[in-house]
Amino acid sequence: DTAVSQTPKYLVTQMGNDKSIKCEQNLGHDTMYWYKQDSKKFLKIMFSYNNKELIINETVPNRFSPKSPDKAHLNLHINSLELGDSAVYFCASSHRYRELFFGEGSRLTVL
Amino acid sequence: KQEVTQIPAALSVPEGENLVLNCSFTDSAIYNLQWFRQDPGKGLTSLLLIQSSQREQTSGRLNASLDKSSGRSTLYIAASQPGDSATYLCAVFFGNEKLTFGTGTRLTIIP
Repeated sequence: DTAVSQTPKYLVTQMGNDKSIKCEQNLGHDTMYWYKQDSKKFLKIMFSYNNKELIINETVPNRFSPKSPDKAHLNLHINSLELGDSAVYFCASSHRYRELFFGEGSRLTVL
Repeated sequence: KQEVTQIPAALSVPEGENLVLNCSFTDSAIYNLQWFRQDPGKGLTSLLLIQSSQREQTSGRLNASLDKSSGRSTLYIAASQPGDSATYLCAVFFGNEKLTFGTGTRLTIIP
């Protein structure tokens, strides 16, 4: 059983479109995260939710909107996609302040 | 500003040798430090987590140390194998809820 699963794994879309990435964890964790890995492979946190409450909201354009319907799910919706949004987006989960477990990543390509 | 630095960015080592990867961080007020490995096109795999009250953690051929006062951690890999080739990432949980990543060291083990 996959601990942290993201869908889709690959996403190719045109500029201006809206897309969503879904994340689910079956580890019973109370905290979930979205990280962005850019072309230089640097990982930067975007959002974090603890018990469905937003606790980290980094300097991210408001075109990015996370949503946590329950503790096991954290989805990421992106409006009006731009070329610079092309990256790999990683979902992760943990007990708060504990070891993080990552999904396999969702590679977004904006044309 | 809380930053995590990993030097060198890339390292090549003959198979069978022992090696050390370095990580430094700017703020000694940390919750924990984690080491991950990332294989090309894959997600991150957690290797070791050291709590702020600990000095080291061991798992198989891996040993991670933590010196908060100097803001340094090392990951020691014994008897390196070609399967150890990957990018190794150090990440620090600072008191601001954020797990901050270093830029990684790309390790190549030469058969």
